Amino acid sequence: ETGVTQSPTHLIKTRGQQVTLRCSSQSGHNTVSWYQQALGQGPQFIFQYYREEENGRGNFPPRFSGLQFPNYSSELNVNALELDDSALYLCASSLGQGAIGTEAFFGQGTRLTVV
Amino acid sequence: GEDVEQSLFLSVREGDSSVINCTYTDSSSTYLYWYKQEPGAGLQLLTYIFSNMDMKQDQRLTVLLNKKDKHLSLRIADTQTGDSAIYFCAETRMDSSYKLIFGSGTRLLVRP
Repeated sequence: ETGVTQSPTHLIKTRGQQVTLRCSSQSGHNTVSWYQQALGQGPQFIFQYYREEENGRGNFPPRFSGLQFPNYSSELNVNALELDDSALYLCASSLGQGAIGTEAFFGQGTRLTVV
Repeated sequence: GEDVEQSLFLSVREGDSSVINCTYTDSSSTYLYWYKQEPGAGLQLLTYIFSNMDMKQDQRLTVLLNKKDKHLSLRIADTQTGDSAIYFCAETRMDSSYKLIFGSGTRLLVRP
């Protein structure tokens, strides 16, 4: 149990729809990162939020957007869903921006299926 | 991925040692990590090594880093059936320390 919670755990959406995924960071953590893990692949970095500002972004189109709230929880929004967006979406929380792997804790993920 | 590569599959007998290998291409790696993912679960950090170290041991886990060859390995001693999972190698780089770059994962199957 890492203290990082994601909701919902599973979701089915239709192509073209919009989706919002949520992440509550571990107590005391001010940084949230989002990753997309397609079936059979390693996680791919989407973006990171540090103190409510986007701190870095991976190679994802603008229809992937995010938000971090004053309590450091975060949302990932995806517009105009495509079939290839079907994946496990992982959230990781940490304290601070750098050397993230040494202190990042991952949630259980949200399994998104686009049909 | 961004050039972190792993073999896809490894099968070992319970009680044997497992060695999972990873290669990376960027010489600016700062930290290298091993994560474990069990079915339907998120990622669990197993261990990590700073790039100026050669070896790190943590109970049954031994990490070896060959920086010249850009090769990282994870040895699990006395492998148990509960070690069956997917193992991901990952790195962070000096110019982008905020993100983890993962390999595609190695599925470890431990046979009784």
